[in-house]
Amino acid sequence: NAGVTQTPKFQVLKTGQSMTLQCAQDMNHEYMSWYRQDPGMGLRLIHYSVGAGITDQGEVPNGYNVSRSTTEDFPLRLLSAAPSQTSVYFCASSHTGGSGNTIYFGEGSWLTVV
Amino acid sequence: GQNIDQPTEMTATEGAIVQINCTYQTSGFNGLFWYQQHAGEAPTFLSYNVLDGLEEKGRFSSFLSRSKGYSYLLLKELQMKDSASYLCAVIQGGANNLFFGTGTRLTVIP
Repeated sequence: NAGVTQTPKFQVLKTGQSMTLQCAQDMNHEYMSWYRQDPGMGLRLIHYSVGAGITDQGEVPNGYNVSRSTTEDFPLRLLSAAPSQTSVYFCASSHTGGSGNTIYFGEGSWLTVV
Repeated sequence: GQNIDQPTEMTATEGAIVQINCTYQTSGFNGLFWYQQHAGEAPTFLSYNVLDGLEEKGRFSSFLSRSKGYSYLLLKELQMKDSASYLCAVIQGGANNLFFGTGTRLTVIP
């Protein structure tokens, strides 16, 4: 059972570079989302999707782009990386309207922007 | 908007009981979650409360009072491996968007 798979696990970027964090789930979940976690801030929602072709902004969407062309994949794009985007990124998925024990997190992606 | 508060750090002794509190102010409340997160790892699900009362699951229990905007996580018979951060999160609205507190770092000492 793969669950929620994120790649890469670690990445170092230079300021101004672009990159894509990949997220895939094999549980046929309608809902997928991206969070970032910073010291003293807790996890904050970046973008989310309730189904293929549908995306929406979360709390901190600036500097990030998402798309949902398939149910399985929800990539997060950094358009022009900035040091403020140094963080740990988590992808999550669930069935919509589900209870808490069906929200699954990926293992995280550690991103450093220098 | 939402405002979720929990203590930053707590220390407890192995074998003891510890209670981690969480207060929240949010519109469109649709449930409260507790997650455990060890350093360098993803959050893992502990409990979910949507109705008032106590939910018990082994050594872990979680309580919710919607009228008071209050929840707690109770950990019994503490073990060293329980040293971790404990995250309180509220789900808001129809989508499964979680809004997290800053987390409580629990240190269990011998």
